[in-house]
Amino acid sequence: KQEVTQIPAALSVPEGENLVLNCSFTDSAIYNLQWFRQDPGKGLTSLLLIQSSQREQTSGRLNASLDKSSGRSTLYIAASQPGDSATYLCAVDDYKLSFGAGTTVTVRA
Amino acid sequence: EAQVTQNPRYLITVTGKKLTVTCSQNMNHEYMSWYRQDPGLGLRQIYYSMNVEVTDKGDVPEGYKVSRKEKRNFPLILESPSPNQTSLYFCASSSLQEGNTIYFGEGSWLTVV
Repeated sequence: KQEVTQIPAALSVPEGENLVLNCSFTDSAIYNLQWFRQDPGKGLTSLLLIQSSQREQTSGRLNASLDKSSGRSTLYIAASQPGDSATYLCAVDDYKLSFGAGTTVTVRA
Repeated sequence: EAQVTQNPRYLITVTGKKLTVTCSQNMNHEYMSWYRQDPGLGLRQIYYSMNVEVTDKGDVPEGYKVSRKEKRNFPLILESPSPNQTSLYFCASSSLQEGNTIYFGEGSWLTVV
């Protein structure tokens, strides 16, 4: 059974600092990996999707890398802003989605 | 606008009173699923559907039913709700043709007393 772990569970940084969020998974035979953002009481918004054949994806200030062999993905958010405060979840798709518990990020103004 | 719409968004109900949470998507996605999100347990899949008339159990299907009579709709049915089904529920849809990017609804807060 796929296990997905996100460390740390919570993170607080001053505005402008770069954010590094980690996601690890136990079974490397995956189809893709997605990063989501969830605001309190809201649904999940897809940020980036990395296919299993890709090493990274970028969108604006966000960059996600994927290392299937080591079972790891990292989400980088450059020059953080207070509006980046949210919970970030990764989900691994091995033809069944498995979610991590998320990292709650607070960006202090 | 691409949307997954869930209703109701908030509901308080009593034990044993049947309820249905509706889910509708306007993107012609073949894949739809239901999740529940609980503190400390994260998101867990309840049921999923690969296409019309094709449904299967996820990780926590007990106490729930689904149907997929039309491509756009995927209702979640609680025949006899119990307090342990108090949770935040999400419907989601995706399509292989869109690289399996997943779209989530806004969530339905359900309290069973």
